[in-house]
Amino acid sequence: DGGITQSPKYLFRKEGQNVTLSCEQNLNHDAMYWYRQDPGQGLRLIYYSQIVNDFQKGDIAEGYSVSREKKESFPLTVTSAQKNPTAFYLCASSIGRGRGLNTEAFFGQGTRLTVV
Amino acid sequence: LAKTTQPISMDSYEGQEVNITCSHNNIATNDYITWYQQFPSQGPRFIIQGYKTKVTNEVASLFIPADRKSSTLSLPRVSLSDTAVYYCLVAPIKAAGNKLTFGGGTRVLVKP
Repeated sequence: DGGITQSPKYLFRKEGQNVTLSCEQNLNHDAMYWYRQDPGQGLRLIYYSQIVNDFQKGDIAEGYSVSREKKESFPLTVTSAQKNPTAFYLCASSIGRGRGLNTEAFFGQGTRLTVV
Repeated sequence: LAKTTQPISMDSYEGQEVNITCSHNNIATNDYITWYQQFPSQGPRFIIQGYKTKVTNEVASLFIPADRKSSTLSLPRVSLSDTAVYYCLVAPIKAAGNKLTFGGGTRVLVKP
């Protein structure tokens, strides 16, 4: 089945540790996105990538880093510089690169990160 | 990117029609209007998209007036399972480097 997979679903980390969230898609999409969602709030864009080896900061990139070495993969690292990392993280992809319907994004099931 | 404004929340009852209006006064000529639905602890899913007039699919209808400065998502005869957050996005449909930005959404509660 084609789709976008995030792992793990739940993640616990100690304060001060870096942690990497996985996002993989087999939809042959060029564009990928990372969002953060806090309880009762909307989605805030962390980073996005329109093509392999290229990515741009979103609205709340501080304390996060990403890489896009493969088309299928867009991992997000939450660094110790992120002051309040506990949140629900969502990864998405869309067809991208002007190929049409770029505003139809497909989301993974999310990773709930808790820092203790 | 065009800024969108939606009501924070709406309550309804089973079997009623729910209409959610989104304001986007600075919408650009090549922008499309897209709506997403999000259930708790899940990622949003695409519901419907349009450019002007009316679009209908098996889930919802989207009404866009001639000036395109607002749009209304209509959910016919809602059920309890339609309780969710609904997001309105405005963005160019084919733009490279597209930055998909979600607002706060509208929290819809359907009561028995």
